Amino acid sequence: DAGVIQSPRHEVTEMGQEVTLRCKPISGHNSLFWYRQTMMRGLELLIYFNNNVPIDDSGMPEDRFSAKMPNASFSTLKIQPSEPRDSAVYFCASSRDSGSYGYTFGSGTRLTVV
Amino acid sequence: AQTVTQSQPEMSVQEAETVTLSCTYDTSESDYYLFWYKQPPSRQMILVIRQEAYKQQNATENRFSVNFQKAAKSFSLKISDSQLGDAAMYFCAYRSPLPAYKYIFGTGTRLKVLA
Repeated sequence: DAGVIQSPRHEVTEMGQEVTLRCKPISGHNSLFWYRQTMMRGLELLIYFNNNVPIDDSGMPEDRFSAKMPNASFSTLKIQPSEPRDSAVYFCASSRDSGSYGYTFGSGTRLTVV
Repeated sequence: AQTVTQSQPEMSVQEAETVTLSCTYDTSESDYYLFWYKQPPSRQMILVIRQEAYKQQNATENRFSVNFQKAAKSFSLKISDSQLGDAAMYFCAYRSPLPAYKYIFGTGTRLKVLA
C-alpha cells in the first residue's frame, strides 16, 4: 500500500489566489480527516468525512475553506481566496473505524501564501 | 471539554538510554482511545502506539511502551534503548467515544537524542 498520498508537497501562491490541495486515502479506510498544523495553534482538525460524507466541519476556519470527497479514493481542500494567515502545513489522514485504530497521515502540503 | 497536556516542550536523552515523555488529559468519558504519534523532520506523522482505555494492560510496541494511569488521567511514553532515529516531535492524542467525535492532540514534546 502506498499510504495516504497528498499533492502537492509544497505550494506557494499569491494572496487572493485559489488553492486546491489533494488527498488519496488508503484503500479500505472509511474515514478521512484534514488537519492544519501551525506553530501557534498546533494541529487543528478542519473537517472529518465518514464514508465520503462530511460529519464535522466545525473546524473549518471560514467560508473561504471548502472540502469535498466525491468518492472513497479522493478528497480536496480548497481555499479561495487565500490569505497569508492560511500559511501552514495541511495534512490529510485516513483511518478505519473513525480513528479508533489511529490515523495514517499523508506527508502534508506546506502552503505559503505571499 | 477534553484537553490534552504535554508539559515538556523539549527533552534530551543519550543514545541507548531510556526516556519518558509525559502526557495528561482531561475527560469525563470512561471509554476512549489514546495515542502517541511521532513527527520526524520529514514532517510525516507516524503512529507509534495506541491504548484503549478499557484495557488495563499497558500497550507495548518493541522499544516503545506506555504507562497508562486511568484514574490519574496520565499516559506517558517510555522509549527504551534510544536511537538517533527517535529524534522527533512526539504528540499525545485523545479520541473520544462516538458519536461525539473529538480527536485532540497535545502541543508536542521535541525529543533530542545525543550521540
